[in-house]
Amino acid sequence: DIQMTQSPSTLSASVGDRVTITCRASQSINGYLAWYQQKPGKAPNLLIYTASSLESGVPSRFSGSGSGTEFTLTISSLQPDDFATYYCQQYNTYPYTFGQGTKLEIK
Amino acid sequence: QVQLQESGPGLVKPSETLSLTCTVSGYSISSNIYWGWIRQPPGKGLEWIGNIYHSGNTYYNPSLKSRVTISVDTSKNHFSLKLSSVTAADTAVYYCAKVASGGYNDYWGQGALVTVSS
Repeated sequence: DIQMTQSPSTLSASVGDRVTITCRASQSINGYLAWYQQKPGKAPNLLIYTASSLESGVPSRFSGSGSGTEFTLTISSLQPDDFATYYCQQYNTYPYTFGQGTKLEIK
Repeated sequence: QVQLQESGPGLVKPSETLSLTCTVSGYSISSNIYWGWIRQPPGKGLEWIGNIYHSGNTYYNPSLKSRVTISVDTSKNHFSLKLSSVTAADTAVYYCAKVASGGYNDYWGQGALVTVSS
């Protein structure tokens, strides 16, 4: 299985901050990486697919980049609604696997 | 608008079989895409369970493969999950999801909490 490792596990930030979350794959995933946002008690919500494509309806302050085995999710200016847990997922190879999650907290 | 809704028992006894159904509205389950199941134990991360195509072709997580069966009923526009010989470790919120053509999940159900307990 491809292991997905996110860092940091927890991130404290303030409204207006620029934040970056990193996701590393144990082998190349050819850019087949998605990012999801999850709020407590809710299903995950797709933000980014194929590493850098913004899902329709997702604010432009979210962006994704990376290739090979290293990927990043950047939020350019944190809004109150962005405090949540973020997961990466590779879908290059079965079984699809998720990172362990990054909890974005209010500083 | 695509909507998915999980349904099934919220409590299952150890060693029994967990059964959930995902009813899809606003989209034909016979379209050329996959449909999937993902679970999340309380307070933990997401675990991919498996995907199914309308033809019945399936991919399962090897960690669950011996116990899991995903099936599809195109006449009812729904697909189902069965997980046998459950233990407390299978207690989780189970999500069904639409798999976009690339493989990521673009629409999710609200999730169904299944507790394994006697």
